[in-house]
Amino acid sequence: EDKVVQSPLSLVVHEGDTVTLNCSYEVTNFRSLLWYKQEKKAPTFLFMLTSSGIEKKSGRLSSILDKKELFSILNITATQTGDSAVYLCAVAAYYVRMNYGGSQGNLIFGKGTKLSVKP
Amino acid sequence: DAMVIQNPRYQVTQFGKPVTLSCSQTLNHNVMYWYQQKSSQAPKLLFHYYDKDFNNEADTPDNFQSRRPNTSFCFLDIRSPGLGDAAMYLCATSSGTSGGYNEQFFGPGTRLTVL
Repeated sequence: EDKVVQSPLSLVVHEGDTVTLNCSYEVTNFRSLLWYKQEKKAPTFLFMLTSSGIEKKSGRLSSILDKKELFSILNITATQTGDSAVYLCAVAAYYVRMNYGGSQGNLIFGKGTKLSVKP
Repeated sequence: DAMVIQNPRYQVTQFGKPVTLSCSQTLNHNVMYWYQQKSSQAPKLLFHYYDKDFNNEADTPDNFQSRRPNTSFCFLDIRSPGLGDAAMYLCATSSGTSGGYNEQFFGPGTRLTVL
């Protein structure tokens, strides 16, 4: 069975700290790994990773994928209280839909890491 | 701005009373998804449409149905809501041109309360 495991499940840090969130996966027909940030609303997209070893950066956030060891990390440097959220890791799995013969991806989510940044 | 819109944002219904949640998108994406997210849990995929083709997840209860009358709109019908169906319902879209593994864009969600 496909699964995505995130760790830690929750984390409390102080402003200015650097945090690393982990995501490991066992998914057949892997296509990409995605990170989302969820505050008290719908998830917002952060990164999509498809290739190993290529870091993606957006401001203080960065992420990298290791397809050999089947994991990804999300780094947040100089954390701020506004970074407090649940960070979701999802893996897009590719499969063929028999009813129309085309391919389709599906997202398999981890349970998330709840990050709390204290002032 | 192109976006995914869900209405209503909050829905209260009674046990057993049918309810319909709506989702519309201006992204012109051909794939639309419905997820159920309960408190402190990851979103769980219920079903998705690839254009007009409906794809149900194996463990989605029969109580949940969906309609997609056109590219822009998709509806989630809960025929007889139970207390266990109280959750946030998230609509998402993606472009399926690359095999469907592009990023999904989520709407703000509809929080359903069942009394």
